[in-house]
This record gives sequence, C-alpha cells and structure tokens, in this order.
Amino acid sequence: EIVLTQSPGTLSLSPGERATLSCRASQSVSSSYLAWYQQKPGQAPRLLIYGASSRATGIPDRFSGSGSGTDFTLTISRLEPEDFAVYYCQQYGSSLTFGQGTKVEIK
Amino acid sequence: QVQLVQSGAEVKKPGASVKVSCKASGYTFTGYYMHWVRQAPGQGLEWMGWINPNSGGTNYAQKFQGWVTMTRDTSISTAYMELSRLRSDDTAVYYCARARNDMGYFDYWGQGTLVTVSS
Repeated sequence: EIVLTQSPGTLSLSPGERATLSCRASQSVSSSYLAWYQQKPGQAPRLLIYGASSRATGIPDRFSGSGSGTDFTLTISRLEPEDFAVYYCQQYGSSLTFGQGTKVEIK
Repeated sequence: QVQLVQSGAEVKKPGASVKVSCKASGYTFTGYYMHWVRQAPGQGLEWMGWINPNSGGTNYAQKFQGWVTMTRDTSISTAYMELSRLRSDDTAVYYCARARNDMGYFDYWGQGTLVTVSS
C-alpha cells in the first residue's frame, strides 16, 4: 500500500499569502495519479486537482498542482477567506489511499 | 446537474449492521464507479471500496473484506453500502463518491451519512 505523508500538519497564514502544501508518497505514484481535495467543516470533500496538475471544473486558477514520482505540491497563490480548510491528497495509481491532511488556518 | 443524495443519520448498537444508500441523478448511473469513503470524527479519509453499477462487480479494501457489502439497484440509480458487526470505532461519516474508473479520483461526493455506534 502506498502511504501518503502530508506536511505540514497545520499551516497558519494570512489572506493574500501564498500556501504551499506537500504530499510525499512511500513509493512512486504511477502516471502521476494524484488528486487534491478541499474539505470544510461539515462538508464533503471537493475535488481541486487530478492527474497531479489538472484543475477540476470550476476551480479557480489560484490553485495549482505539481510534482511527479513521490513528491507532489499543492500551491494556493493568494489565499482567499474561503480557502481556509483542510486539504487532502489521494493517490489512485495503486489501490487508493489518502494523506492525513493539512489544515490551512487563519493566522 | 450531478447529485449524490445519501440516506439519513443512523444510530446502531455494537454488533448490529447498517445499510446506507446513495441515490444518483444527473448522469448515467451505470457509466461511473461508485466508491465509499469514511471519516471518523476529527480524522482523515479512509477508502472502503467500490462497486461497478454496470456489472455489479465489487472490490473492497483489504481491511473491510468480509465485513462490508456494496450493492446497487440500477432501476432506481441507487448504490448501497452495508457494514456488519459494527463496533464503536465504526462511528464515522460515510460518503459515496463517483469515479470514472475503478482506480480514480472522485469528482462528485454525497453529502455524507453519520453512523453512530453506541450501546
């Protein structure tokens, strides 16, 4: 099973700042089959990025994904108030596993 | 528009079973796999398995094999997830989520069903 480790656990930033979230896999994720989700309290997760770097429908371009192999990054170029949430990465190249999440909180 | 609407919250005693439904609309039900993911209170996401609504074929995460059953009724575009022999640590929100493939990303999610296991 591929284990995904997200860092940091919590990111404290102000609106307008840049957020950089990391997702590291215990072994290479084939074909960059990696997705990112945003989850707000009491809501289901929402797909942001798939295929490591493709934005899902309706996702603002301030969200971008990059990486390959074992190291992946989600970048939010300028944080909006609605972006403060928990973010999960998920790999779907070998079975399906999620990272433990990164909380982006208001500083 | 695509919607996945799940059944309401459940309270069960340890050892009982629970069956959660997920009604799909706005797309061809048999054209996408339906996955189930759970989230314990304050915890992360855990994938449980999938059902292919077209064939009825299933694949369960190793942890849930022998313990979870996923079925579907194509006449009403509804998928079901039944978990047996419930324990207190099965208390969680259970989500259905749509994917194009057996191994895929989830583009639409149900609203979640809270299952509470308590004596």
